[in-house]
Amino acid sequence: QKEVEQDPGPLSVPEGAIVSLNCTYSNSAFQYFMWYRQYSRKGPELLMYTYSSGNKEDGRFTAQVDKSSKYISLFIRDSQPSDSATYLCAMSFNNAGNMLTFGGGTRLMVKP
Amino acid sequence: AAGVIQSPRHLIKEKRETATLKCYPIPRHDTVYWYQQGPGQDPQFLISFYEKMQSDKGSIPDRFSAQQFSDYHSELNMSSLELGDSALYFCASSALAGSYEQYFGPGTRLTVT
Repeated sequence: QKEVEQDPGPLSVPEGAIVSLNCTYSNSAFQYFMWYRQYSRKGPELLMYTYSSGNKEDGRFTAQVDKSSKYISLFIRDSQPSDSATYLCAMSFNNAGNMLTFGGGTRLMVKP
Repeated sequence: AAGVIQSPRHLIKEKRETATLKCYPIPRHDTVYWYQQGPGQDPQFLISFYEKMQSDKGSIPDRFSAQQFSDYHSELNMSSLELGDSALYFCASSALAGSYEQYFGPGTRLTVT
């Protein structure tokens, strides 16, 4: 079983919808939580990062972390066709090497 | 803004050949990470370097080696290539060792035939 689980989708929504993307994890030692967006054949692009439980908002994106449930979410408001991509959650421990452990990614399609 | 540069972008090699991938981090970033992403899979951490020293090691095969140079660029050397090594190889950089803000390059697509 993977340390970080993510529904692969695809998730198809109409333009303007609110999108909810989620990850669960098993290792309570993860301290930092990130969301990356990856377009086809491109490198992952850092969208959001959080350290503690709670919410963090940046424009149309809101990241939520619930450490007690080992559950993180990314909400996208007013979704646009340009948001169509694969969204990867990633986590790291609090050490110097700080390797990222990724979820498998959720493919999102926003239809005009 | 300057981003992570990787070269080459595409590479085709035959089995048992060697390959060298290069990564140039964002200016003033001193930490470099290498990840391997197979088809339809998430990126898997290989190895990282901070100030030219290896700082962490993941699932990197013994056939692979890497180093970071004085100008902070890094090279991933892959020998005795196997078909299963075909993947996207990403380099990421961060400004501080242990920083969770890793910025990824566009990747090198390696195809082993």
